[in-house]
Amino acid sequence: DGGITQSPKYLFRKEGQNVTLSCEQNLNHDAMYWYRQDPGQGLRLIYYSQIVNDFQKGDIAEGYSVSREKKESFPLTVTSAQKNPTAFYLCASSSWQSNEQYFGPGTRLTVT
Amino acid sequence: SQQGEEDPQALSIQEGENATMNCSYKTSINNLQWYRQNSGRGLVHLILIRSNEREKHSGRLRVTLDTSKKSSSLLITASRAADTASYFCATDPRTNSGGSNYKLTFGKGTLLTVNP
Repeated sequence: DGGITQSPKYLFRKEGQNVTLSCEQNLNHDAMYWYRQDPGQGLRLIYYSQIVNDFQKGDIAEGYSVSREKKESFPLTVTSAQKNPTAFYLCASSSWQSNEQYFGPGTRLTVT
Repeated sequence: SQQGEEDPQALSIQEGENATMNCSYKTSINNLQWYRQNSGRGLVHLILIRSNEREKHSGRLRVTLDTSKKSSSLLITASRAADTASYFCATDPRTNSGGSNYKLTFGKGTLLTVNP
């Protein structure tokens, strides 16, 4: 099965702890993206990567960090510096030929 | 920054009726895309229309694009209860050099409810 996987589906953390969300794709896509979605809202871009070992900040990168050591993987770390981390996080990927994005199922993070 | 803005924010119709959602944007684009999201799930790509296209069809979906008005519409014909979802438009802004930076800008979506 080709696609994007995100794990876990639900994640609970205490305030002040860093947490890493996983995103893996086997679509051979070069570009990968992380979005945040709050209730009733659209998607806001956190970070994106167009090639291995390179990534750029999106519109709301503060309090987040990423790495892109492998083409297939683009993990997102939500650090304790993120003021309001509770949200639904979506990972996506796309190829150079077409920027149609393929999305994972999302991770719902709750920080208390 | 939010480029696409969908209208209406919510739409409730009966099964069999047509549903029309609109999207407005602010800058020049390479293409505009529509996505669907079922509650609590990831987004699914529906259709892409390029800036030099005016209309595109895919099954029960019809998308139009008016670049002079910077607007697009998504029509779902003969709607079904299974079409209940949020629908988002996303734009691929054209860079100063006329290309793409491969980032999409999403609107806040239209929540469509199709009643059986």
